[in-house]
Amino acid sequence: QTVVTQEPSLTVSPGETVTLTCASGTGAVTSAYYPNWFQQKPGQAPRALIYSTTKKHSWTPARFSGSLLGGKAALTLSGVQPEDEAEYYCLLYYGGADWVFGGGTKLTVL
Amino acid sequence: EVQLVESGGGLVQPGGSLRLSCAASGFTFNGYSMQWVRQAPGKGLEYVSAIDSTGSATYYANSVKDRFTVSRDNSKSTLFLQMGSLRTDDMAVYFCARVRGWSPASCAADCYLDYWGQGALVTVSS
Repeated sequence: QTVVTQEPSLTVSPGETVTLTCASGTGAVTSAYYPNWFQQKPGQAPRALIYSTTKKHSWTPARFSGSLLGGKAALTLSGVQPEDEAEYYCLLYYGGADWVFGGGTKLTVL
Repeated sequence: EVQLVESGGGLVQPGGSLRLSCAASGFTFNGYSMQWVRQAPGKGLEYVSAIDSTGSATYYANSVKDRFTVSRDNSKSTLFLQMGSLRTDDMAVYFCARVRGWSPASCAADCYLDYWGQGALVTVSS
């Protein structure tokens, strides 16, 4: 079973910029893994934010952006807002029907 | 408006069975692949199963293979997950999600999950 690794937790102050990363146990993450990012708040379903590494859904706030950084998929929040406090998950596609979620990053806004 | 509504969750004894449903509306259901994803209490998301738009191709995570069966009724815009031989580690909230750009064994230019249901809680306990 492939392991996808995210930072367990990050803390940021309002207005700052923070980058979350998503690493694959098989090596460098590329666009061929179609990285997806999701936000989940307590008691809610996940909400899609980013797909295919950099693309935003119509509902994704402009302050969220996706990229590849140092062999990992990355989610950057520019100008963090208090309502961004949540758990963030990445999802990588390994071919066939092999999809693997990262363990999640708990983002705290203090 | 796209909506996915799960139902059928509940309490079941170890070794028992349960069937979840996911009623879809607001889009052409038979044009999309679908997935089931679960989340154990206090844990992260885990891919469970996928099915293509016609229902002819189904896939499972190793953790549920040979115990769970995914199916769909396109005439009723409904996705199902039949769960058998349930174990305590199957206890989770089960979400259905719509898949874009994926067909059996490959992705198109984009490949992603966009809409999710609110989830159905499955409790496995004696």
